[in-house]
Amino acid sequence: DAKTTQPPSMDCAEGRAANLPCNHSTISGNEYVYWYRQIHSQGPQYIIHGLKNNETNEMASLIITEDRKSSTLILPHATLRDTAVYYCIVSPYYNQGGKLIFGQGTELSVKP
Amino acid sequence: DGGITQSPKYLFRKEGQNVTLSCEQNLNHDAMYWYRQDPGQGLRLIYYSQIVNDFQKGDIAEGYSVSREKKESFPLTVTSAQKNPTAFYLCASSITLLENIQYFGAGTRLSVL
Repeated sequence: DAKTTQPPSMDCAEGRAANLPCNHSTISGNEYVYWYRQIHSQGPQYIIHGLKNNETNEMASLIITEDRKSSTLILPHATLRDTAVYYCIVSPYYNQGGKLIFGQGTELSVKP
Repeated sequence: DGGITQSPKYLFRKEGQNVTLSCEQNLNHDAMYWYRQDPGQGLRLIYYSQIVNDFQKGDIAEGYSVSREKKESFPLTVTSAQKNPTAFYLCASSITLLENIQYFGAGTRLSVL
């Protein structure tokens, strides 16, 4: 699976958009980008995934560059409850063995 | 509500003792997983199961054992052979083994007395 690079930490003001970047320059054609988050002392939570088109759901938007070498997760109106570690994962859609490789992630702190 | 229930939330183990962590899901998922998380680290896969009565070792299976006698249950035993068991243990499930969308429980924090 392709490796990902994320900034270790970011701050965001409450009510503003949080834009979390992820670099995945070695992504291959059949690999998707998945985002999870983990609130402190809880289990990870799936947020969104995409292949090459931008995706949006009730939680967030995912913007993938045209060359697919990077992506950005956007939380449009961040709240204090969005404070968490955000993980970007690259994997084939059908993942033989089912293992999710969580890296270090980005620790997002939403401040009042 | 559908989801994954892990118990207990906190667990303490004495030297030489085996302890069992419970994981139950009512999502009707075929696949289940156990991960270990150490402070400031990512998740590491301990064991996974594709279907009832089948399970496979993950990356760090030594010192752990599992069973899958029922579709909804996937308990993890931390044996005395696991010399460094202190960690946060997470159970997850997915519709099938191939899925990257996994649903996680709230975790069990295990400490050694």
